Amino acid sequence: AQSVTQLGSHVSVSEGALVLLRCNYSSSVPPYLFWYVQYPNQGLQLLLKYTTGATLVKGINGFEAEFKKSETSFHLTKPSAHMSDAAEYFCAVSDQSGATNKLIFGTGTLLAVQP
Amino acid sequence: DVKVTQSSRYLVKRTGEKVFLECVQDMDHENMFWYRQDPGLGLRLIYFSYDVKMKEKGDIPEGYSVSREKKERFSLILESASTNQTSMYLCATDILRDDYGYTFGSGTRLTVV
Repeated sequence: AQSVTQLGSHVSVSEGALVLLRCNYSSSVPPYLFWYVQYPNQGLQLLLKYTTGATLVKGINGFEAEFKKSETSFHLTKPSAHMSDAAEYFCAVSDQSGATNKLIFGTGTLLAVQP
Repeated sequence: DVKVTQSSRYLVKRTGEKVFLECVQDMDHENMFWYRQDPGLGLRLIYFSYDVKMKEKGDIPEGYSVSREKKERFSLILESASTNQTSMYLCATDILRDDYGYTFGSGTRLTVV
């Protein structure tokens, strides 16, 4: 069965600093991987996704993630944090065991950006 | 732009009440999902539906049921609300298997007192 582990429930960075949010997955088949962002009192918004092809995936708002099969990782990065990046971030893997695409989510990482 | 609309942003209900949470989508998507979100637990799947009148249990279906009479509407029902069902409820949709990536509604924060 697929699963996702997000290391660090809270991450704090200074404005302008590198953002690194960690995600490791477990999957018995080639995984489809996702990052979502949730701003306060809102639903989740898709940041980026990896299905096949290039392992470095670029998303919205300057974020990118690299699929590393050997490390079973899909870490999210952004070179320079902005105050508006403060939000909760969720990594997810697709459960491909059935006919319907179900996503299995990690427990989330709350990103704080300090001025 | 695609839209997933959840009828209430905030809801307060009493223990034992029957509660309906509504989700409507305008994208003609086959798949619809209900998740609950709790601090430290992430999102957990309650129920999902892959077609009208079709439903399947997710990971935590106990105490919940669902209804999908029309393609665009997916309702989550709390048969007898309890305080441990106080949570954020999120509806999501997806089109078939080859276009991965959910579209989420804004969520309903339910408090059961």
